[in-house]
Amino acid sequence: AQKVTQAQTEISVVEKEDVTLDCVYETRDTTYYLFWYKQPPSGELVFLIRRNSFDEQNEISGRYSWNFQKSTSSFNFTITASQVVDSAVYFCALSEATTGNQFYFGTGTSLTVIP
Amino acid sequence: EPEVTQTPSHQVTQMGQEVILRCVPISNHLYFYWYRQILGQKVEFLVSFYNNEISEKSEIFDDQFSVERPDGSNFTLKIRSTKLEDSAMYFCASRRGTEGMCYFGPGTRLTVT
Repeated sequence: AQKVTQAQTEISVVEKEDVTLDCVYETRDTTYYLFWYKQPPSGELVFLIRRNSFDEQNEISGRYSWNFQKSTSSFNFTITASQVVDSAVYFCALSEATTGNQFYFGTGTSLTVIP
Repeated sequence: EPEVTQTPSHQVTQMGQEVILRCVPISNHLYFYWYRQILGQKVEFLVSFYNNEISEKSEIFDDQFSVERPDGSNFTLKIRSTKLEDSAMYFCASRRGTEGMCYFGPGTRLTVT
């Protein structure tokens, strides 16, 4: 079973539109961490955010915001006023305390922002 | 800001050859990882390494793979006899503790011909 599900394979938006990338996770651990990474065409993984399971407070960082809801096991990522530079593949990941703290990545969502 | 480095950035090798991918984790980190990403697919866990031994490995990490921390700074992934399906981006990662941030290197793109 997938521990991290990103149901949206590809999304295209027009510049300045808002876009939300969905992430649903599955774990039995009470202590875990959730992450979002951006992978631009150059291939590196760029860290965006980390959330621990005890902190459900939503976070905003500039045009980025994250909505963590334990009740629905979701950790969604919203980009407001999207820009062409936001075009990339975005990965959600889960790290559990009981499984060696390896990262379980979702399959990624490819975002294309059209100028 | 500290960073994980990986060399080479791109390696081309012939099927059946041995390759060694090198990583220099962040100096005070204790946990080290290798991940693989086949083109267009998700990032997959290969192996974790702590206290000079493998702590966990995935089913991908078969007998063709090995890891080593030979000198206290480098962390290497060896593929003994490469196959075409080993072509992928290989990411090294390190973290200080199990609750700490995990830092990924820029990746080594391995192409097996």
